[in-house]
Amino acid sequence: KAGVTQTPRYLIKTRGQQVTLSCSPISGHRSVSWYQQTPGQGLQFLFEYFSETQRNKGNFPGRFSGRQFSNSRSEMNVSTLELGDSALYLCASSPVLWGSPLHFGNGTRLTVT
Amino acid sequence: DAKTTQPPSMDCAEGRAANLPCNHSTISGNEYVYWYRQIHSQGPQYIIHGLKNNETNEMASLIITEDRKSSTLILPHATLRDTAVYYCIVSHLTDKLIFGTGTRLQVFP
Repeated sequence: KAGVTQTPRYLIKTRGQQVTLSCSPISGHRSVSWYQQTPGQGLQFLFEYFSETQRNKGNFPGRFSGRQFSNSRSEMNVSTLELGDSALYLCASSPVLWGSPLHFGNGTRLTVT
Repeated sequence: DAKTTQPPSMDCAEGRAANLPCNHSTISGNEYVYWYRQIHSQGPQYIIHGLKNNETNEMASLIITEDRKSSTLILPHATLRDTAVYYCIVSHLTDKLIFGTGTRLQVFP
């Protein structure tokens, strides 16, 4: 079974631009979570989707948004990029909303210049 | 904030058991203990989780103290590929996982 796939693997953007990251969960998994990882803050929860609905949201500004499609694939968008948004963005999937371990992708490394 | 305390780093000789401690003195009755690890340049990988009883799978064993205030992850025969950051997380089944800073385990030949 294929793992969680995140695209692109690397991305370089300029301040003020926007970016969209994509996540394809493991086949059959319906829950998708997003995390941001930086050297200073570590792994921080962004949001979680299940059946196309946002079920949980972390403490991030409104510039960070996401969505989930009917095939469980998910995208996250960051608008008006700031230098501090440079990070590894990780997507994780699980079969159900609760009670099942998360399976992470290898992330998209975003660099904002 | 993370509800766990872990040593920032540990060393282990290849072939020996790696015992990674975790303190979670404020754990509530229905919170689980999860362990994940993150190898450099990869996403975190689930290892094991438990509620009260000790657990074992093909990767590791999880020993939870009777009062549930601490636990130990045991990698029985560490290899160089076990070098990673290990995260101990306490969470309800219905909550998002909050990662702390973890323990950086270095396995040396």
